[in-house]
Order: sequence, then structure tokens, then C-alpha cells
Amino acid sequence: DTGVSQNPRHKITKRGQNVTFRCDPISEHNRLYWYRQTLGQGPEFLTYFQNEAQLEKSRLLSDRFSAERPKGSFSTLEIQRTEQGDSAMYLCASSSSGIDTQYFGPGTRLTVL
Amino acid sequence: GESVGLHLPTLSVQEGDNSIINCAYSNSASDYFIWYKQESGKGPQFIIDIRSNMDKRQGQRVTVLLNKTVKHLSLQIAATQPGDSAVYFCAENMYSSASKIIFGSGTRLSIRP
Repeated sequence: DTGVSQNPRHKITKRGQNVTFRCDPISEHNRLYWYRQTLGQGPEFLTYFQNEAQLEKSRLLSDRFSAERPKGSFSTLEIQRTEQGDSAMYLCASSSSGIDTQYFGPGTRLTVL
Repeated sequence: GESVGLHLPTLSVQEGDNSIINCAYSNSASDYFIWYKQESGKGPQFIIDIRSNMDKRQGQRVTVLLNKTVKHLSLQIAATQPGDSAVYFCAENMYSSASKIIFGSGTRLSIRP
């Protein structure tokens, strides 16, 4: 399967702990996006990379959140000092430069106790 | 401001009938629209898209209609099947926003046997 993959699929953590999620985009895609989705809502944009450059960040991305894409392939999203309000599904998507269709991965569901 | 909304949060359709899911958008600068299907526990799945220079586009069993005059988007699913049960999101993408997708809150489609 050459779709977008995300790991882990589920993460349960205690408040105050740090968590890191990984996204592997479709191999030929140079754009990568992170979204957050809470129950009953549509996904909300967090940040976007073109190759290794982080080009846009939402105001939803507080200073406890950091995303990287060091080699322009996979990306990581880290949340420091997690809070209960961080509980959500974290979705990754990728697309080809110049083609807008974004293809989503299965998501990582985070539960903060 | 930017917003994408849906007229109905839930839709129940008899198996074999056609389904129509509606969506309103408020930003006249939007130039690309996408419909996604999301099944429980999965990431959004691309269904069909349409650009602002078109008013209709057809795929396999799906048709998207765009009415720019009233800022309205619809998704028609022909001969609805049990596998079509899901939440459907319309979303908009503006080239000026570096490919950030803005999602609406979704419509849940349920199929009656």
C-alpha cells in the first residue's frame, strides 16, 4: 500500500507527558500537512511543509506543538506537556506540488488522561 | 470570513435511492472545492473535487455541482449503497492560502435497507 501512513494509530498518555507522532507521506509527494480533528467536527489545519520547509502554521499550533520534516520525507509532530484539551485525532495528508488534492492517512488518536 | 457549512447534519436515505448532500460556503475567493468521505476510525477519503471555473463534475456514481452565484456546493450519490454510510465533508481550498483546506462540520449519511 503506497498511501499515507501514520504511527502510532492510538496513543494514551497522562497529562504533562510528551508525545510524538510520525507521518510517512505518499512517496512522490513533496507537500505534507498536519490537521487535528475533534469528535463531530471537520479537520482543522495545523501546519504544512513543502519539502523540508515549514511554510505555514495555524494559530492553533501553540508553542507546545512542534513539527519537523528534516529530510523532506517523513514528518513528526511533537506535543510537549500534554493537556486534556489536546485529546483529538491527528491527521496527516500529502499532495504533489502544483496538484491540490490532499490524501489523508488513517490518523493517530490521542487520549490525554 | 472563511467558513464552509452544511445545511443538514444527518441524512437518512433508502438503499438504492440517490443521495444529495448540500454545502454552503461564504468566501467568494475560494477557487477549489473538495468532497471527502470519512468512515468511523479512518482518515478522510477523497471523493471528488471541482474548480471554480466549472459548475459540474462527474465521477463514478458521484456528481458535484457548484453554484457560485449562491455559493452552494452539492454532492450527489447515485444508487446509494450500504458502503456509502459515512460522514461527508465539503472543504474549500484557496490558492492564496498555500493549499490549506478548510473543512465544514460534516453530514452523516445513513442508509436504510
